[in-house]
Amino acid sequence: NAGVTQTPKFQVLKTGQSMTLQCAQDMNHNSMYWYRQDPGMGLRLIYYSASEGTTDKGEVPNGYNVSRLNKREFSLRLESAAPSKTSVYFCASRWDTIYFGEGSWLTVV
Amino acid sequence: EDQVTQSPEALRLQEGESSSLNCSYTVSGLRGLFWYRQDPGKGPEFLFTLYSAGEEKEKERLKATLTKKESFLHITAPKPEDSATYLCAVQDDDSNYQLIWGAGTKLIIKP
Repeated sequence: NAGVTQTPKFQVLKTGQSMTLQCAQDMNHNSMYWYRQDPGMGLRLIYYSASEGTTDKGEVPNGYNVSRLNKREFSLRLESAAPSKTSVYFCASRWDTIYFGEGSWLTVV
Repeated sequence: EDQVTQSPEALRLQEGESSSLNCSYTVSGLRGLFWYRQDPGKGPEFLFTLYSAGEEKEKERLKATLTKKESFLHITAPKPEDSATYLCAVQDDDSNYQLIWGAGTKLIIKP
């Protein structure tokens, strides 16, 4: 079982560039999340999607956009990257328990 | 404001040396408290959900307990493969989806 799959695993961007992180889940979950994880801090919610066609801002949405393309896929777009966006990004899906992907390491130089 | 604090930040134990990790929380009403394990370079992996004070859950060498203010993750006779960062999160009654995460405790078990 694949669970939650994220791509790419690693990415280096130059300041001002944009990119999209892809996420797909095969567990038929309605809810999906995008988090970022920084050293010494807990996971912080960027965006949440309760179901196909709906999205809500989390704690740290500035500079990001999301698309819930269908029930399986939830993508995160980073517009005009800045060094402050350097982080590890996790996609997750949930029925009752939250299941995480393996993470995407993003460095903005 | 909902808050989750985990202590200690890091814990080094000898193999077989039992100990406990703490997760203190502040919420208006607890919908659930979650424990996860995270290995380096990986996503968090679910361990337990606790819903009410007095509840306990066990899995191999791990046992999670819950009071009205904190949760403990007890590790009995740990092995090197138990080395990981352990994350705690809470969901408030007021939220349908938002979890508040602690910063984690990094556990190192020396052989």
